[in-house]
Parts: sequence; structure tokens; C-alpha cells
Amino acid sequence: GAVVSQHPSWVICKSGTSVKIECRSLDFQATTMFWYRQFPKQSLMLMATSNEGSKATYEQGVEKDKFLINHASLTLSTLTVTSAHPEDSSFYICSAGFEEREAFFGQGTRLTVV
Amino acid sequence: GQNIDQPTEMTATEGAIVQINCTYQTSGFNGLFWYQQHAGEAPTFLSYNVLDGLEEKGRFSSFLSRSKGYSYLLLKELQMKDSASYLCAVKDSNYQLIWGAGTKLIIKP
Repeated sequence: GAVVSQHPSWVICKSGTSVKIECRSLDFQATTMFWYRQFPKQSLMLMATSNEGSKATYEQGVEKDKFLINHASLTLSTLTVTSAHPEDSSFYICSAGFEEREAFFGQGTRLTVV
Repeated sequence: GQNIDQPTEMTATEGAIVQINCTYQTSGFNGLFWYQQHAGEAPTFLSYNVLDGLEEKGRFSSFLSRSKGYSYLLLKELQMKDSASYLCAVKDSNYQLIWGAGTKLIIKP
């Protein structure tokens, strides 16, 4: 299957700083990538859809100025959590795939804001 | 609205069989997926159904009935490593994945 690589796998940052998470499709070109957030014991929550060469589409309730998404190439999307606060601590996962096939997930990033 | 329902938690015994049900109501249907997710890890793909019937893959099988908006994941010969959450997801008419809340499966010796 297709491979999606996410980096870093975990990060600890101070409150008020920004953190960038990268998501790469290693063996295919992804015009669309998806960013999810998952709190403990809860299911995946779609945050935004990242579109190559255009602005991301954010889900209702997700602050686009706080969660900056850039999809500069067909193999790379980045999520930057700006001015992070402890309530932003969560598991962030990206995925990519094809319309009629399964989604492939990155390894996930465990963000802890202290 | 769109929603997917699956039990929150199930318990089964090592070596036994367990069936995890999923019912869905979505705007359009372009396939149903089952994923396994261990705590602290990303989901991994298990199965895909787009036509009615049973798809078998080793110890895991998945069934779909589109007319009933129903699917199940069947796990046979349960092993301790099968303890995980199992996520049901449906692609709607826009090929957007709609996720269930997941079923936490606990395997006891």
C-alpha cells in the first residue's frame, strides 16, 4: 500500500510557541491530504482538508489562523499549531489516499504543550 | 445529518470469535472501511467493502448490507494483540470519510 510519513512522532513545546508537523506521501502524489486530531479515548476528528496549490478547507469550529496548513507540493503538507496552549495537546494524524481506495495514515504526532 | 454507530466497548476471550457491528446513515455511499487502532498509534487499514456480501482476509472478515446500512467486522481465533479500537468509516458521495467513534475491544485470557 501507499506510504505516508509524518514527522515528528512526538513533540513537547512551551505554551505560546509554534509547532510544525510534516506529512509526506512517499510513493505517490497526493493532491489532497487530511489532518485529524484525536483526544484520548475519542475517535478521529477531521480538522481540515489540505489541497495542493490552494487554501485548506477547515471544518466548523477549527480556527484557521491557529492551525495553519500549507500544501506546497504534491507530496508534502504541513500543519503549524501557532501560539500553542495546553488545550492543544492532542494526537495529530494526517492521511492521504485515493478517492476509491482506503486512506493511508501517517504515524501520528503526539503534541504536549506545557 | 450523517452518522455512524458502533458499540463503545466489547469484551471477548482469547481464542473466541467476536463480531463488531456498525450502522450508518450517510449522504451517498462509496465504500465502507474498517481500521484497527492501538492506543497511541495511527489507524491501520483492515478491510474495504463496496458491494454487499462478505470479504474474508485471514482471521478477519467484513460484511456489508447497503440496503440495511449495516456492516460488521468478524474477528476469529482472537489473540491478545487484537485488543485495540476498531473504527468503522464510510465514504460519502463526495468521497469524504465519515468516522464512527470506534469500538474498544478488550481481550481476556
